[in-house]
Amino acid sequence: DAGVIQSPRHEVTEMGQEVTLRCKPISGHDYLFWYRQTMMRGLELLIYFNNNVPIDDSGMPEDRFSAKMPNASFSTLKIQPSEPRDSAVYFCASSPTGQETQYFGPGTRLLVL
Amino acid sequence: QKEVEQNSGPLSVPEGAIASLNCTYSDRGSQSFFWYRQYSGKSPELIMSIYSNGDKEDGRFTAQLNKASQYVSLLIRDSQPSDSATYLCAVIFYGGSQGNLIFGKGTKLSVKP
Repeated sequence: DAGVIQSPRHEVTEMGQEVTLRCKPISGHDYLFWYRQTMMRGLELLIYFNNNVPIDDSGMPEDRFSAKMPNASFSTLKIQPSEPRDSAVYFCASSPTGQETQYFGPGTRLLVL
Repeated sequence: QKEVEQNSGPLSVPEGAIASLNCTYSDRGSQSFFWYRQYSGKSPELIMSIYSNGDKEDGRFTAQLNKASQYVSLLIRDSQPSDSATYLCAVIFYGGSQGNLIFGKGTKLSVKP
C-alpha cells in the first residue's frame, strides 16, 4: 500500500511568493494532519481534519497560512505571501483513528529566500 | 502551558548497551503517551504507545510510564547502530472537547559500534 504522499519534496522560493504544499493521505484514513518542523520549535501541529472538516486550526501561525481538504484524498497547505521564517520541513500525516496512530509522509522541505 | 520536555542530547552509547531516553510533561491529566523515531532527513515513525502506569515491552523497546511523577521513558536494550536517530516523545493533552498531541523536541541518540 502507498503511504502518505506529499509534493513537492523540496521547494525553494523567494519572499512574497505563494507556496502550495500538497498531500494525499492513506486511503481509508479519516484524519489528516499538517505539521511544521524546525530546529528551534520542533514538530508543531498546524491544523487537522476529520472527514474533510477542519477540527483544530489553533496551530496555524497567522492569516498567511491556509489549509483545505476538498475531498478525502487530497489536502493543500498554502502560504501567501511567504516569508523567510516560514522555512521549515512541512509534514502531512494521516490516521484511521485520530491523534493516537499517525502515519507521516516524507515531508516537504521549504526554503524561502 | 502544555509542555513536553526532553534532553536534546546527543546521547551516546556503545553498541550492545541499554539506551535510556527520558521525557517529562506538564499536565497531570494526560492519558496517552507515544514515542516516535526519526532518522535524519526522514519523517517520524511511531514505535511505542503507552497509556497505563508501568512498563510496556515490544521487542528490544520498553516504555515506562509514571503518571504521578509526570514522567515517561524509553529503554532500548542491546542498542544497535541502526537505532541511531532522534527520538520524539509525544503526549496528548486533554482539554475541552478534544485532545492536542504535543511533541517534545527530541533526544538524539548515537550508538557507536
